Amino acid sequence: ETGVTQSPTHLIKTRGQQVTLRCSSQSGHNTVSWYQQALGQGPQFIFQYYREEENGRGNFPPRFSGLQFPNYSSELNVNALELDDSALYLCASSLQVGGSYEQYFGPGTRLTVT
Amino acid sequence: SQQGEEDPQALSIQEGENATMNCSYKTSINNLQWYRQNSGRGLVHLILIRSNEREKHSGRLRVTLDTSKKSSSLLITASRAADTASYFCATDSLGGATNKLIFGTGTLLAVQP
Repeated sequence: ETGVTQSPTHLIKTRGQQVTLRCSSQSGHNTVSWYQQALGQGPQFIFQYYREEENGRGNFPPRFSGLQFPNYSSELNVNALELDDSALYLCASSLQVGGSYEQYFGPGTRLTVT
Repeated sequence: SQQGEEDPQALSIQEGENATMNCSYKTSINNLQWYRQNSGRGLVHLILIRSNEREKHSGRLRVTLDTSKKSSSLLITASRAADTASYFCATDSLGGATNKLIFGTGTLLAVQP
């Protein structure tokens, strides 16, 4: 148990729809990162939030957006879903940004876009 | 894009044998971490090795890092059926303003009882 939770566990959406995935970080962790993991691949960095501000972004289009709240929870929003968005979405929290701080991953949300 | 590549892509061994997985990466790093993932679920942190370290041990795990070759290896000794999982290396790039991790493609380890 990492103390990081995600909801929902599984989700099926239709192409063109919008989806919101949620993550609850470990208490006291002010940094949360989101990753997308396609089947058979390693996770790919979407973006990171530090103290409620975006602090770095991977190679993902603007229709991927996020929010981080003061209570250590965060959201990943994806608009205009495409079939290729089908993947496992992982959030990870850490105590601080930068340096060698361990990241604690949640169990993930599996999104299927049909 | 993936930073690193794990080798082999898949490995099948008998319980009690040792398993060795290798990881190569492309850019200078702060540290390299190994994670385990069971059946497409969340990642479990195994071990972190800093760029100025060459070897690190944790229980049955031994990790080496060769920054001149941009490579790392993970050795699991006396493997158990419960070690069956996918294993990923991940690097934290030097000079980054985030602790963004760049993952490799993973090694699927199957330990036969």
